Amino acid sequence: EDKVVQSPLSLVVHEGDTVTLNCSYEVTNFRSLLWYKQEKKAPTFLFMLTSSGIEKKSGRLSSILDKKELFSILNITATQTGDSAVYLCAVNTGNQFYFGTGTSLTVIP
Amino acid sequence: GAVVSQHPSWVICKSGTSVKIECRSLDFQATTMFWYRQFPKQSLMLMATSNEGSKATYEQGVEKDKFLINHASLTLSTLTVTSAHPEDSSFYICSVIAGGRWTQYFGPGTRLLVL
Repeated sequence: EDKVVQSPLSLVVHEGDTVTLNCSYEVTNFRSLLWYKQEKKAPTFLFMLTSSGIEKKSGRLSSILDKKELFSILNITATQTGDSAVYLCAVNTGNQFYFGTGTSLTVIP
Repeated sequence: GAVVSQHPSWVICKSGTSVKIECRSLDFQATTMFWYRQFPKQSLMLMATSNEGSKATYEQGVEKDKFLINHASLTLSTLTVTSAHPEDSSFYICSVIAGGRWTQYFGPGTRLLVL
């Protein structure tokens, strides 16, 4: 059975901290892994990863994929209160997208 | 990325009425759209895959006669919640896949409250 597991389920940090969110997967026919940020609305796209070892970076956010160990991490440096959200990981296996349950991040001023 | 809109963004209705939600792909011809439902503090739950010009594919446990999906064109899919009940109150989100079918872009979502 295809599955995507995210950890931790929730995280509370102080502004300025660095956080690492994890996403592991077991799927057949891997195509891509995607990270989304969801605040009180629909998810917004962050990154798409298809190749191992190539870091994707956008400002303070970065992500990398390890296709051998079947996981990805999302790093956020110098966190701000605006980073508070649920971060979703999804794996595309062709026409199917499997979502993790998300990591709820709360950044305290 | 693809730009996706949904209408309405918010709807409140009485129990027993039907509600139609539109999902439009504004800059991309989407042969496939997805419909999700999300309850508070829960992850997205895929309801159905909407295919242009053919019948939607529903996930197990989703009643196709209750959640009618029509994907009449490459830019528009509609979800109609028929005879809505309070337990149908949820956040409904559509998405399109783009980028060689490897990336999914979401609409802004529609919050449905059934009284």
